[in-house]
Amino acid sequence: AQRVTQPEKLLSVFKGAPVELKCNYSYSGSPELFWYVQYSRQRLQLLLRHISRESIKGFTADLNKGETSFHLKKPFAQEEDSAMYYCALRSGETSGSRLTFGEGTQLTVNP
Amino acid sequence: DTGVSQNPRHKITKRGQNVTFRCDPISEHNRLYWYRQTLGQGPEFLTYFQNEAQLEKSRLLSDRFSAERPKGSFSTLEIQRTEQGDSAMYLCASSSDRFPLHFGNGTRLTVT
Repeated sequence: AQRVTQPEKLLSVFKGAPVELKCNYSYSGSPELFWYVQYSRQRLQLLLRHISRESIKGFTADLNKGETSFHLKKPFAQEEDSAMYYCALRSGETSGSRLTFGEGTQLTVNP
Repeated sequence: DTGVSQNPRHKITKRGQNVTFRCDPISEHNRLYWYRQTLGQGPEFLTYFQNEAQLEKSRLLSDRFSAERPKGSFSTLEIQRTEQGDSAMYLCASSSDRFPLHFGNGTRLTVT
């Protein structure tokens, strides 16, 4: 079974501080990992995926298979980063298979 | 707006009534997913279609729930004999091949 754990439900930082949202997963195969973000009153949207190895809005995430983690990081948080962040996993073997989501972390960036 | 569209946005119903939600995916997407989200939880998978074929159903999808995608385009999710525990946000998402899922705004169901 695949499982995603986000240990922090709430995370609060000050503007300009570094931020790290933790994500751990359990899956026996080769996973695809994603971060989705939901801003207030907006739909859930993709932030980044591990296979792209890109930085979006200053955020990066590295897949660490040894630690089964996919933590989301940003060196200098901005107030507009305040949102709900969900880590998600998809089986890498089955095309089109479902995403399994974590419970989410509410990030608040204070001025 | 060419994104995923869900109707209605809100639905309030009395316990025991039937409800139906509609999802219109992004037109070129062949895969369509339904998820349910309750307060404080991440989205939970319900079911998935590839074109018109329903390929996977979660154990969360009881006999009172049925989903269809008759022509491989829009989809409907029906809940029969609603219960208070069905109150949640119902999310639809679509994708193409191995591209990420694009979500709609959801339908918020309240069962009184």
